Amino acid sequence: QKEVEQNSGPLSVPEGAIASLNCTYSDRGSQSFFWYRQYSGKSPELIMFIYSNGDKEDGRFTAQLNKASQYVSLLIRDSQPSDSATYLCAVTSGTNAGKSTFGDGTTLTVKP
Amino acid sequence: DTAVSQTPKYLVTQMGNDKSIKCEQNLGHDTMYWYKQDSKKFLKIMFSYNNKELIINETVPNRFSPKSPDKAHLNLHINSLELGDSAVYFCASSRGHTPIVYGYTFGSGTRLTVV
Repeated sequence: QKEVEQNSGPLSVPEGAIASLNCTYSDRGSQSFFWYRQYSGKSPELIMFIYSNGDKEDGRFTAQLNKASQYVSLLIRDSQPSDSATYLCAVTSGTNAGKSTFGDGTTLTVKP
Repeated sequence: DTAVSQTPKYLVTQMGNDKSIKCEQNLGHDTMYWYKQDSKKFLKIMFSYNNKELIINETVPNRFSPKSPDKAHLNLHINSLELGDSAVYFCASSRGHTPIVYGYTFGSGTRLTVV
């Protein structure tokens, strides 16, 4: 079993729709959870982080965390073509020298 | 005023050669990392340094040797390059001892192609 698993893509949504990206993790000691966006040929860019159960909203982005289910998600409301990218889920535990373990990524395409 | 800068951006070299990648951050961060991203976009940690001290050393061939002359710089030297070393190598930094709270700031990456 992979340490961090993301829903297999690619994911395609029409402009204006809600894009839902999911991630599960295996280490129950995980403490912080990050979403990075990576455009083709570019470096990953941190867009959201969440530490506590529940929802965290930032503009059109909402991160949701459920530690009991070991599940974290990212919702993108009013999706725009500029949101087309690969989204990487990263999980960090305080017991492993703080390294972040990444999922394989989900590629999102927003069609005009 | 680039936050995390890597050089070179592209590196094409022959099998068996030795090459180095340099990374510098001007964010005042305490911890720096090397990650390898393969052709399927999977990012895997290789090393991390906190204030010049090696913290993480994943299962990486000993042909790869990191060096941190100070907390703002982390270089990666690769000996006897192999075809399988072809990938994008990202340098990253984080505030504090761990990225638990702050996450990473990535450099622009070095695309290494071994022919």
